[in-house]
Amino acid sequence: DVKVTQSSRYLVKRTGEKVFLECVQDMDHENMFWYRQDPGLGLRLIYFSYDVKMKEKGDIPEGYSVSREKKERFSLILESASTNQTSMYLCACEGGLQEQFFGPGTRLTVL
Amino acid sequence: QKEVEQDPGPLSVPEGAIVSLNCTYSNSAFQYFMWYRQYSRKGPELLMYTYSSGNKEDGRFTAQVDKSSKYISLFIRDSQPSDSATYLCAISGYNKLIFGAGTRLAVHP
Repeated sequence: DVKVTQSSRYLVKRTGEKVFLECVQDMDHENMFWYRQDPGLGLRLIYFSYDVKMKEKGDIPEGYSVSREKKERFSLILESASTNQTSMYLCACEGGLQEQFFGPGTRLTVL
Repeated sequence: QKEVEQDPGPLSVPEGAIVSLNCTYSNSAFQYFMWYRQYSRKGPELLMYTYSSGNKEDGRFTAQVDKSSKYISLFIRDSQPSDSATYLCAISGYNKLIFGAGTRLAVHP
């Protein structure tokens, strides 16, 4: 089974802090994704990556950046956290035919 | 207009009921259709996957796609309390998955 792990389940940060969310997958999949999930809005794509050192903006990239130095690891960075970035963050990797496997999520609260 | 529309519910049904969950989509070019299930405080997991019009059955679950109406459905027969979760439709388009907002389902004993 594909396993996707995220570095933290719950995180509390203060406004203006730099926040790192890390995601690791164990299936050698090339495509990885970061989403945020908010009530009533579903999953919204922040960034994705098709290969090491490659990244593409999703639908809501503002205020975020990403890093992919190794194939199995995809990091989401909040350069200066704001309260409107309080959300559930989900990482996914993609197998064949766009089937995506998700991590357990990180619930981030920005105070 | 959103690319994928899904009624957020919540939907509350008694154990044993037949549940119908639905999504509509806007672009007839979309090809692959999926249903994900998400339990509370967990990530979504793939439940059903289909790429053509018609029905696909897996145990108590049936996924239905009507491309002419741009309408997809998930039916759950003999629903169980363990089916209580949020169900998200996802449609493959523009080289990415587009998710519905999710429907929260509660099955009570």
